[in-house]
Amino acid sequence: DTEVTQTPKHLVMGMTNKKSLKCEQHMGHRAMYWYKQKAKKPPELMFVYSYEKLSINESVPSRFSPECPNSSLLNLHLHALQPEDSALYLCASSTPSRINEKLFFGSGTQLSVL
Amino acid sequence: SQQGEEDPQALSIQEGENATMNCSYKTSINNLQWYRQNSGRGLVHLILIRSNEREKHSGRLRVTLDTSKKSSSLLITASRAADTASYFCATPAAGGFKTIFGAGTRLFVKA
Repeated sequence: DTEVTQTPKHLVMGMTNKKSLKCEQHMGHRAMYWYKQKAKKPPELMFVYSYEKLSINESVPSRFSPECPNSSLLNLHLHALQPEDSALYLCASSTPSRINEKLFFGSGTQLSVL
Repeated sequence: SQQGEEDPQALSIQEGENATMNCSYKTSINNLQWYRQNSGRGLVHLILIRSNEREKHSGRLRVTLDTSKKSSSLLITASRAADTASYFCATPAAGGFKTIFGAGTRLFVKA
């Protein structure tokens, strides 16, 4: 199994809603990432978890809250988002032996904030 | 700030032609990667070239790396309509898990 699975594929939410994005991989990867991508722009790193511990937070607003319940799952909890947060949210994973060499990406969640 | 910058921003070619896209980066690296992204989808890793390598091939892909100029190129030979996608170079940032993506080249291959 060489897949990273993200759900939902599409999400529309209001600014007062609370929602969660989910990511799952069964490749035994111990590094997992959240990236944000605006249209026609490159992905931008948000968070990195290594061995289920938060390693990097790229100064992301607190309305985004990551969680790594176990080595296979990564969540991104969303609360009180702004319309400018509308973007494609990508989850990725990598094996510890190939960190910074190969990222495996999910298909993303296309988020629209109204 | 972005580590890599790519040109051209967009490229339109006929099927069967070769496509070349370039990437420049700012700091010393130990490897450079190329990824492909179909519209609205996740990125797929294509190829990695290490700092001690000058050229690497994978199928119809040829990647070069010039560390003295801090630049890389990706050549896709005999392009197909299915190669239509965005292509990003990516480099590791110093000190950990961070991979930084270039601005990307949008390739359109006309059948």
